Amino acid sequence: NAGVMQNPRHLVRRRGQEARLRCSPMKGHSHVYWYRQLPEEGLKFMVYLQKENIIDESGMPKERFSAEFPKEGPSILRIQQVVRGDSAAYFCASSPEGGSYEQYFGPGTRLTVT
Amino acid sequence: GEDVEQSLFLSVREGDSSVINCTYTDSSSTYLYWYKQEPGAGLQLLTYIFSNMDMKQDQRLTVLLNKKDKHLSLRIADTQTGDSAIYFCAESMDTDKLIFGTGTRLQVFP
Repeated sequence: NAGVMQNPRHLVRRRGQEARLRCSPMKGHSHVYWYRQLPEEGLKFMVYLQKENIIDESGMPKERFSAEFPKEGPSILRIQQVVRGDSAAYFCASSPEGGSYEQYFGPGTRLTVT
Repeated sequence: GEDVEQSLFLSVREGDSSVINCTYTDSSSTYLYWYKQEPGAGLQLLTYIFSNMDMKQDQRLTVLLNKKDKHLSLRIADTQTGDSAIYFCAESMDTDKLIFGTGTRLQVFP
């Protein structure tokens, strides 16, 4: 049973480009969460999605960031026109239906903006 | 408000017990968690405790919760070098987001 999968593991983008981060939840999990970890800091919540629905986006920056979790396929976190301050590790977590108190994390995508 | 605090570093000798502490501010927290992060890796869920419990034990791990003082601790018995990592406590008020502490870097020396 594969765990939460994220790709790419490392992503380098120049300022102004777009970054697309993918997350495939664990098999049978229908809830996805995205978190951001800045260097030497803890994780900060960004967004919580269920299939085709955004449940809580209170941690998402108002501009340039968007997330989706389509009926088929992985969840996507999209960052448009990246800036140096977007450099961070982005983690995805998933949880099963009815058991959202257990969140299982993927290995993360480390985004570097040059 | 939402704020979870941890001390930044802990250094212990192999074979000793480690105690990592955490304080939180939101008394309505439902679940409290301990996660382990090794260098360059994601977070591994170690254990969690429901807010109406005082203690939970799982092999070498013991979690103590003092709800009155909003204090959570993780004790690792017989600490090994493989336990060296960053340990995060986290709280949640429902089935939504986790609020993480800043992490405690545990270093185990021989």
